Amino acid sequence: AQTVTQSQPEMSVQEAETVTLSCTYDTSESDYYLFWYKQPPSRQMILVIRQEAYKQQNATENRFSVNFQKAAKSFSLKISDSQLGDAAMYFCAYRSAGGWRNMRFGAGTRLTVKP
Amino acid sequence: GAGVSQSPSNKVTEKGKDVELRCDPISGHTALYWYRQSLGQGLEFLIYFQGNSAPDKSGLPSDRFSAERTGGSVSTLTIQRTQQEDSAVYLCASSLHGGYDGYTFGSGTRLTVV
Repeated sequence: AQTVTQSQPEMSVQEAETVTLSCTYDTSESDYYLFWYKQPPSRQMILVIRQEAYKQQNATENRFSVNFQKAAKSFSLKISDSQLGDAAMYFCAYRSAGGWRNMRFGAGTRLTVKP
Repeated sequence: GAGVSQSPSNKVTEKGKDVELRCDPISGHTALYWYRQSLGQGLEFLIYFQGNSAPDKSGLPSDRFSAERTGGSVSTLTIQRTQQEDSAVYLCASSLHGGYDGYTFGSGTRLTVV
C-alpha cells in the first residue's frame, strides 16, 4: 500500500521569505498524482497544487511550486514571498492513476508565518 | 451547490448515542468521500462512493460506522453507540469522476463524544 510521509510536524518562516515543506511517498506504481492541500483554521482543505507523475516539469501556481523527484519519491512544496495568510496545516497526498482511487494523506506540517 | 456543504458544523453527543453527519456534495460530482481527522493527525479514509457503483467501505473502522448516499447526491455518515475515540473532525469531499484533478472538501463536522 502507498504511504505518504511528512517528516516536519512544524515549520516557521518569516513573512516575505521562502520556505520548503518536505514530502516523501512509497509506491511501486509508475503513474500517479500528487497533491498539496492547505487547511486553515476554518478546517476546509484547499487544493494548492497538483502534479502528474508522468510529467517531468514541476508544477507551479503563483507563489507555490513543487520539486518533484520521481526516482527519489520526493515531492516538496516551496512557498515564495510567504504571507501571513499562508499560515495553515499543509498536507501532501497521493492518488493512484488507476484502480484503487483512495487519496492517501500525510500527517501534515503546521506552518507558522512570523510578521 | 457552489461548494461541499456539511452539517452540523459541530456536534457534542453523549457516549452510547447515535449520530448522523450530513454531506451535500457539489452538484454533478459523481464521487463522494468521507475522511476522519483526529486531533493532530492526518486524514484517515473511511468510505468512497462513485456513481451507482457499490461503495468502497474498506476504511470504516468498525461495524458501528455506516454511510449511504441517496440519489447519487447527499450522503449521511452514521455512527452508532458512539465512543470517546470517535471524537474527531469528519471531512467530506467530492470530485468529478475519479478525482484526478483533486477533491473539493467541505468544512467538516467536529464530533465530540463526552
